[in-house]
Amino acid sequence: DTEVTQTPKHLVMGMTNKKSLKCEQHMGHRAMYWYKQKAKKPPELMFVYSYEKLSINESVPSRFSPECPNSSLLNLHLHALQPEDSALYLCASSPVGLAGEVEQFFGPGTRLTVL
Amino acid sequence: SQQGEEDPQALSIQEGENATMNCSYKTSINNLQWYRQNSGRGLVHLILIRSNEREKHSGRLRVTLDTSKKSSSLLITASRAADTASYFCATDPSGYSTLTFGKGTMLLVSP
Repeated sequence: DTEVTQTPKHLVMGMTNKKSLKCEQHMGHRAMYWYKQKAKKPPELMFVYSYEKLSINESVPSRFSPECPNSSLLNLHLHALQPEDSALYLCASSPVGLAGEVEQFFGPGTRLTVL
Repeated sequence: SQQGEEDPQALSIQEGENATMNCSYKTSINNLQWYRQNSGRGLVHLILIRSNEREKHSGRLRVTLDTSKKSSSLLITASRAADTASYFCATDPSGYSTLTFGKGTMLLVSP
């Protein structure tokens, strides 16, 4: 299974809501990533987990809270978001290694709209 | 921060033609990767080229790397409508442990 799945595909939420994005992979990868992508822009890294531990946080606001409950799952908890947080949120996984050495496998993304 | 800059930003060609996209980067790198993204979906890895390689092929794809000019090119030969997508280069600036994506080239292949 070489697939990364993400749920939900689409999410609309108000600024006072709490919601979670989910990501799952069964390739045995021990590195997992969250990216944010605005329209017509490249993906921007948010978080990196390595062996279920947060290894990189790219100065992401605390209204985004990642969680890696086990080696196959990655969550992104959302709370008190702003309209400018509307974007495509991409999850990716890879074997652990130097960033440039390894291929990242991406999920299809969750399209988030914050009203 | 963005490491790579692709040009052109957008490219429109007919099926059967070749498409060439370029990527320039600023700092020294160990490797460079190319990814494809179909509209509003996840990215798919296409090819990785190491800093000690000058050219690499994979099917209809040909990638070159010129580390002296800090640039790479992706050539898609005999393009198909299914090649319509955005193409991003991604680099790992030396000493940094994550990939940085360029701005991307939107390729439209018309039947």
